[in-house]
Amino acid sequence: DIQMTQSPSTLSASVGDRVTITCRASQSISSWLAWYQQKAGKAPKLLIYKASSLESGVPSRFSGSGSGTEFTLTISSLQPDDFATYYCQQYNSYPWTFGQGTKVEIK
Amino acid sequence: QVQLVESGGGVVQPGRSLRLSCAASEFTFSNYAMHWVRQAPGKGLEWVAVISYDGSTIYYADAVKGRYTISRDNSKNTLYLQMNSLRPEDTAVYYCARRNYSGCLDYWGQGTLVTVSS
Repeated sequence: DIQMTQSPSTLSASVGDRVTITCRASQSISSWLAWYQQKAGKAPKLLIYKASSLESGVPSRFSGSGSGTEFTLTISSLQPDDFATYYCQQYNSYPWTFGQGTKVEIK
Repeated sequence: QVQLVESGGGVVQPGRSLRLSCAASEFTFSNYAMHWVRQAPGKGLEWVAVISYDGSTIYYADAVKGRYTISRDNSKNTLYLQMNSLRPEDTAVYYCARRNYSGCLDYWGQGTLVTVSS
């Protein structure tokens, strides 16, 4: 199985900050990586697919990059609505696997 | 807009069974592969199972293989998850989700809580 490792686990930041979350795969997944945002008590929401493609309706301050085994999610200017937990997920092969999550907290 | 509504969760004793349903609407259900993903209380997301658009291809996570069965009824626009031999570690919110043509999960239901406890 492909293991996905996110860092950091928790991130404290202020409104307006540039935020970067890293996701590493235990083997190459090409660009078959998605990023999801989840708020407490809610279902996850797709932000980025195929490593760098922005899902329709998602603000342009979100961006993704990377390929192979190293990926990043960047929020260019953190907004109050962005405080949430973020998960990466590989869909290169089954079983699909998620990273453990990165909680973005208010500093 | 696309809607996925799970039902069937509840409290069940270890070793017993439960069947979850996911009712889909506002899209052509029979064109899409569907997934189940779960989340234990306070934990991260865990992929559970997938079924292809026509039911011909199915995969499971090792943690549920042999105990869970995913199925679908395209005439009823409904996805199912039959869960047998339930264990306390199966306690989680179970989400159904649609796999889009880009290959990932673009719509999710609100989730249904399954609690396995004596």
